[in-house]
Amino acid sequence: DAGVTQSPTHLIKTRGQQVTLRCSPKSGHDTVSWYQQALGQGPQFIFQYYEEEERQRGNFPDRFSGHQFPNYSSELNVNALLLGDSALYLCASRRETDSTFGSGTRLTVV
Amino acid sequence: AQSVTQPDIHITVSEGASLELRCNYSYGATPYLFWYVQSPGQGLQLLLKYFSGDTLVQGIKGFEAEFKRSQSSFNLRKPSVHWSDAAEYFCAVGAPGNTDKLIFGTGTRLQVFP
Repeated sequence: DAGVTQSPTHLIKTRGQQVTLRCSPKSGHDTVSWYQQALGQGPQFIFQYYEEEERQRGNFPDRFSGHQFPNYSSELNVNALLLGDSALYLCASRRETDSTFGSGTRLTVV
Repeated sequence: AQSVTQPDIHITVSEGASLELRCNYSYGATPYLFWYVQSPGQGLQLLLKYFSGDTLVQGIKGFEAEFKRSQSSFNLRKPSVHWSDAAEYFCAVGAPGNTDKLIFGTGTRLQVFP
């Protein structure tokens, strides 16, 4: 049974560009959350999606947006990339109390 | 403000020694409490969690944690560390009933010497 799948695993973008990260939840999970983990820091909550709607949001600017599809997969979009957006982006999926993190997408902004 | 503090940035132990990683939190009510482990370049793996009830929680890989309300602490322990336990450990809190929006500490890096 596949866990949470995130793609791509690594990517490099230039300042000002836009990026889309993807997350396929664990089979049976219906809720997806996104976290940003800067180097040497703990993860920070970006937002959570359930039933294709953003349900909770952390302290991130509107440049960070997301989407959840009917098959529960999710995308994280970041516009106007800044150097400070360089981080590991983690996706977590959940159903009831069963929650699993993916291995993340390493985004480098140059 | 809600926060999690992991006072030890880096801990080094010998294989077979006991381990205790500290976690203190600041929260209005008794939160949900979690410990995660992260190996280099990997995602987070849940070691254990506390929602309510027995304050001593058993987790995977031989880890346990004890919730102490009076000290606002949730320290992680293991009686005998293995070399494979070397990793980054994160303590996290969430509002009661909310397991999605977690607040993480800055982590403790565990190094194990043979």
